[in-house]
Amino acid sequence: KAGVTQTPRYLIKTRGQQVTLSCSPISGHRSVSWYQQTPGQGLQFLFEYFSETQRNKGNFPGRFSGRQFSNSRSEMNVSTLELGDSALYLCASSLIPNQPQHFGDGTRLSIL
Amino acid sequence: QQQVKQSPQSLIVQKGGISIINCAYENTAFDYFPWYQQFPGKGPALLIAIRPDVSEKKEGRFTISFNKSAKQFSLHIMDSQPGDSATYFCAASSSGATNKLIFGTGTLLAVQP
Repeated sequence: KAGVTQTPRYLIKTRGQQVTLSCSPISGHRSVSWYQQTPGQGLQFLFEYFSETQRNKGNFPGRFSGRQFSNSRSEMNVSTLELGDSALYLCASSLIPNQPQHFGDGTRLSIL
Repeated sequence: QQQVKQSPQSLIVQKGGISIINCAYENTAFDYFPWYQQFPGKGPALLIAIRPDVSEKKEGRFTISFNKSAKQFSLHIMDSQPGDSATYFCAASSSGATNKLIFGTGTLLAVQP
């Protein structure tokens, strides 16, 4: 069974640009969550989706947004990129909310 | 109240020894406590998890001990191997609310051969 797939694996952008990251959950999983991982702040929750609805959002500015499609695949978007947005962005999926979450290998975003 | 405090920050253990990582929380609404293992360049992998209705859970060489009254839980790795060298994260969530995991700051484990 394939795991959580995140694309692209690496991305380099400049300040002010916007970026879209993609996540395909484990087959049959309908809940998707996004996390940001940085050396300074560690692993921080961004948002969670289930049945195409955002159920919860972390403490991040409105530049960070996401959505989930009817096939459970999810995307997150960051607009007006800042240097501090450089991070590993991780997607996790679970069968339904409140079930064990399994992570992908992330997208490494670097802002120049 | 949303924090999960993890210690130590780093740990060096000899092959065959026991690795112990500790976590503490404040929010009594937390009722799910997973541990994740992360290798460089990879995402966190779910190792083992516990809910407050049991005080201990064992899976192979990995054991979680849970102390509800002290609001603490720990990961024990028995017979530690060089292949266990990785960063370990504890986490907590409240099932009544969301999938949102609150992570500890991580422990870098090095198992020396």
